Amino acid sequence: GQQLNQSPQSMFIQEGEDVSMNCTSSSIFNTWLWYKQEPGEGPVLLIALYKAGELTSNGRLTAQFGITRKDSFLNISASIPSDVGIYFCAGGLYNNNDMRFGAGTRLTVKP
Amino acid sequence: KAGVTQTPRYLIKTRGQQVTLSCSPISGHRSVSWYQQTPGQGLQFLFEYFSETQRNKGNFPGRFSGRQFSNSRSEMNVSTLELGDSALYLCASSPGDRTDTQYFGPGTRLTVL
Repeated sequence: GQQLNQSPQSMFIQEGEDVSMNCTSSSIFNTWLWYKQEPGEGPVLLIALYKAGELTSNGRLTAQFGITRKDSFLNISASIPSDVGIYFCAGGLYNNNDMRFGAGTRLTVKP
Repeated sequence: KAGVTQTPRYLIKTRGQQVTLSCSPISGHRSVSWYQQTPGQGLQFLFEYFSETQRNKGNFPGRFSGRQFSNSRSEMNVSTLELGDSALYLCASSPGDRTDTQYFGPGTRLTVL
């Protein structure tokens, strides 16, 4: 099946900095989701996007569904230490229950 | 609403044994999906159940199977365990109309010795 390319693989940033990560696909999706996973826990849904061009915010997080429907990005503004974790993108199709996940971006925030 | 629960949280088995993992979805959710997560392969889709029927299946061998009960609770079974089956097994539930909006449980960490 189609694979998602998520970048960067890891980021080391200073507290207060902004962060940007993205996912691209060779195929189109109807849905893009962004999750955060902390050690020993399952992924937690952060933002769900359902329409090309859609821009959605959740606190300091903002995500966009690319116009081509083949990409999405996630921005985190003014990072704080509790933002540490692995962020995953996921793409899905209506009536297709097989979600595809990116490999994740590991975020480290230095106080 | 209570979130997705998975039991047990940790499990240690030896090669050749079989294991059954359990998942209780969010109340009202009818779709349950299972994933295997490993450092090398990331999140890999196993299968998805909706109304007691398997709707979709990933590319895993037949040793991996699952089922769903009338109350939407789901179990997955792995027979003849191999070392490579060591992983975090995640269950995700969704209302069923749009399985894309999936909510994950904490996972079951399976170690095969």
